Amino acid sequence: QKEVEQNSGPLSVPEGAIASLNCTYSDRGSQSFFWYRQYSGKSPELIMSIYSNGDKEDGRFTAQLNKASQYVSLLIRDSQPSDSATYLCAVDNYGQNFVFGPGTRLSVLP
Amino acid sequence: GAGVSQSPSNKVTEKGKDVELRCDPISGHTALYWYRQSLGQGLEFLIYFQGNSAPDKSGLPSDRFSAERTGGSVSTLTIQRTQQEDSAVYLCASSPLRGGVPDTQYFGPGTRLTVL
Repeated sequence: QKEVEQNSGPLSVPEGAIASLNCTYSDRGSQSFFWYRQYSGKSPELIMSIYSNGDKEDGRFTAQLNKASQYVSLLIRDSQPSDSATYLCAVDNYGQNFVFGPGTRLSVLP
Repeated sequence: GAGVSQSPSNKVTEKGKDVELRCDPISGHTALYWYRQSLGQGLEFLIYFQGNSAPDKSGLPSDRFSAERTGGSVSTLTIQRTQQEDSAVYLCASSPLRGGVPDTQYFGPGTRLTVL
C-alpha cells in the first residue's frame, strides 16, 4: 500500500510568521509532487507542483523536494489569516499511483 | 476557460434509492477521477479513467457503486440502494497529460449527497 503521510495538525502560527508543512511518502518511484489547499466546504485547489529535487518558489509559497529522503514540504512566508485551510500533499508515480495525504490543518492567528 | 463541472451540487435522497452524479471534465483532459470526502475527513479515491484504458475501480467501496465515462468525456457515478453511510461530498477531478502521463488534477465543486 503506497502511503503519503502528513501531520494532521492543527498547526497554528501567528500572522506574518512562516508556516512549514511537511509530507513523507513511501513510493520511491514517485516522480510528481503536488500541494493543494482546501478551504472548509470547498474543493481542493492546486498551489504548486514540483518534479525535481530542490526548492521551487511561487510568491509566498516555496515547495521543497528531497527524493532521497522521500520528503516534500511547503513553506508559506508572511502567513495571513486567509491562508487558514487544510493543505493536502499529493504524490504520483507516472500517473499510475496518485495518492493524497490526509492533510494538515493550518490556522493563522491574527 | 471552463473548469470541471459537477451536477447536481446538492442531492438529498431516501435510503434505498439510486442516485446518479455527473462530472464534466475540462475539455481535452484524458484522465478523470472520482473521490469521496466525508465531513472532516481526507479524500477517499473511488475510480480512475484514463483514455480508452480499463478504469481503475480499486477504490469503489461496494458493488452498489459504479461509474462510466462516455466518449472519453462526461462521467456518471451511480450509487444503487443508497445507505446513510454514503452521505458525503463526491468530488470529480480531471487532469491533462504531461509527458504522456496524467499530471495535475483539477477538481470540480463537488456534489453533496445526503441520504436520509
